[in-house]
Amino acid sequence: GENVEQHPSTLSVQEGDSAVIKCTYSDSASNYFPWYKQELGKRPQLIIDIRSNVGEKKDQRIAVTLNKTAKHFSLHITETQPEDSAVYFCAASRSGGSYIPTFGRGTSLIVHP
Amino acid sequence: DVKVTQSSRYLVKRTGEKVFLECVQDMDHENMFWYRQDPGLGLRLIYFSYDVKMKEKGDIPEGYSVSREKKERFSLILESASTNQTSMYLCASSPGQGRTEAFFGQGTRLTVV
Repeated sequence: GENVEQHPSTLSVQEGDSAVIKCTYSDSASNYFPWYKQELGKRPQLIIDIRSNVGEKKDQRIAVTLNKTAKHFSLHITETQPEDSAVYFCAASRSGGSYIPTFGRGTSLIVHP
Repeated sequence: DVKVTQSSRYLVKRTGEKVFLECVQDMDHENMFWYRQDPGLGLRLIYFSYDVKMKEKGDIPEGYSVSREKKERFSLILESASTNQTSMYLCASSPGQGRTEAFFGQGTRLTVV
C-alpha cells in the first residue's frame, strides 16, 4: 500500500517568515495530493490540493509543488501569521483506490508573533 | 455545507465493553472512512466503505469492525474495548466518482479505563 513520509514533525517560525513542509510518497500510481489543516480542537480541513498533471498550484499565501519523478510534494506558506499555527497533514491517494487518502504523520507549525 | 456528524464528542468506556461510534453525513457521499488519530502517528485508516454494505480494511483494522446499512451512516464497533484503543477517532466522507475532497467529523475522544 501507499506510504507517506512527512517532515518536519515540528516547525517553529517567526511571524512573516516562510514555512515549508515536505512529503514523500511510495506509490507511483498516486495522482491526488491534498493538504489538510487541523487547528487545535477542530477537525482537519482541506486547504489546497494538487493533481499529478500539474507541478505547482498557488492560492494566496499557500502553494504546493509536486515532483512526480522524485515522488515528493511540498507545502509552502509565505508571510506566516499566528493564525497559521496548526497541525498540517499531507496525503496521497489515487483514482484506482477510490481516492482514499493515506496521511503523513503531521507537522505542528508554530508561528510566533 | 457538507456536514459530517459524530454521535459523541467524548466517551469513557470500561475494558471489555462493546463500543459503538456513529457517524452520519448529509451529502449523499459514496465513500466513508474511520481514522484513528494519535500524537506523532498522524491519521491511520481503520476501515472504509465505498457503498452500502461494502467495507474494506484499512491499515489498522484489528480489534474493530464496521457497519454501513444506510448510505449516510457508518458505524465503528470496538468488539471488546481495550486500553490501547484509547484515542481520537475521526470519521470522514468523500463524494467518490472522481471527486476527491474528504470532509471530517468533529472527532470522538474515546478513553478506555
